[in-house]
Parts: sequence; structure tokens; C-alpha cells
Amino acid sequence: EPEVTQTPSHQVTQMGQEVILRCVPISNHLYFYWYRQILGQKVEFLVSFYNNEISEKSEIFDDQFSVERPDGSNFTLKIRSTKLEDSAMYFCARTGTGGRGEQFFGPGTRLTVL
Amino acid sequence: EDQVTQSPEALRLQEGESSSLNCSYTVSGLRGLFWYRQDPGKGPEFLFTLYSAGEEKEKERLKATLTKKESFLHITAPKPEDSATYLCAVQEGNYQLIWGAGTKLIIKP
Repeated sequence: EPEVTQTPSHQVTQMGQEVILRCVPISNHLYFYWYRQILGQKVEFLVSFYNNEISEKSEIFDDQFSVERPDGSNFTLKIRSTKLEDSAMYFCARTGTGGRGEQFFGPGTRLTVL
Repeated sequence: EDQVTQSPEALRLQEGESSSLNCSYTVSGLRGLFWYRQDPGKGPEFLFTLYSAGEEKEKERLKATLTKKESFLHITAPKPEDSATYLCAVQEGNYQLIWGAGTKLIIKP
């Protein structure tokens, strides 16, 4: 099954700046997820988004994070004021068409906060 | 407290040398257990889903099995291109995945 595409592939930003990471589904799926992976560490769940609303979020997903589907297609993760510890790979994922729980991941955006 | 533990952390094998990777979990109400492959700098690539104890899935040189407390990923006669980090993740009542730290597999020619 096709996954999703993500842009940019690499984002470098200064601490305190806002960043927007984008996820573009190949087809019209309803359920999306954002995960992050700090270098050398486990993949961590951030948020799930169903039918244009947040379904679940983790403790990591605090007030500096937000998600949107502004045009009904692209799915964005915004970090309002980046910190050094936000440096990580950010992955967007979608569920499969079979609805059995499998999640298919995009290639990720590497965020580097200086 | 870790809910998903993978072992070993790293495994070096000669090409053709079969072995197994372990994923133990302590979650209750398992909705599903998932195996993924991750290459450096890439997103996790879906391999298998297992839903109930006794279930097995196969794909080429890989075979995944599930018991009530753990899952094994068996690799038979591996090739260098099987080198990657293999990740295990579980779902409980909701749909978020809880991940293990992975096993880095290196297959030497």
C-alpha cells in the first residue's frame, strides 16, 4: 500500500522559531498519526487525528504542538516555539484500508533545532 | 516501566545463519502486535500484524509468531540486504502504537 509523503525532508531552525511539518496522503484516508523519534531512541506517539479532529494525544503533545488539516488534504504538525530537545525525526502515518490497525509511515522530516 | 522490550539490542550474523529476535510485552488487552523494519534515516516499514496467541505470519525469509507474553521474529538464511533495525510495537485499547527500542540486525556477507 502507498504511504504518505512528507515535506520538507530536512528542516533546520533556530530555537524559539515556529516550524510546520507537512504530510500529504496519497489517497483519502481519515485516520492519521504523528510520531517522533529522537536519534537513537524509541519511536514515540504524539497525536492521532480522525475525521479532522484530534482523537488521542500523548503527554509529549503539549501546548506548543498543534495539528491541522487546513485544506482537507495536507495534514500539518506545527511546533510553535522550538526547543533544542525537539530535534528529532517526525513521522506521519496513516492506517491501512483494511482498518485492522496497521499503520503505514512516511519517510519522515528531520528537524534540527540550533 | 517498559511495556515493550526487545532483545537483543544488536545481533550480528553471517549470511545464511538463521536466528530469532524477541519482543516481550506487558500491556493488557492487546489489540495487535506489529513488526516493522527501519533502515537508517527512513520511516518504519510495515512487515506483520499479529492479533492472537498462536498466530504466525511469513514473508520471504521472515516469520513472526505470537504468544500471550512475547513475539518472535525468526529470520531464516538471512542475506546482507536484511540488515536493518527491526521494531516491535503493540496496540492496546486505543490505536496508538507503543514501541520497543528495536534490534539492530547486521548480516555479514
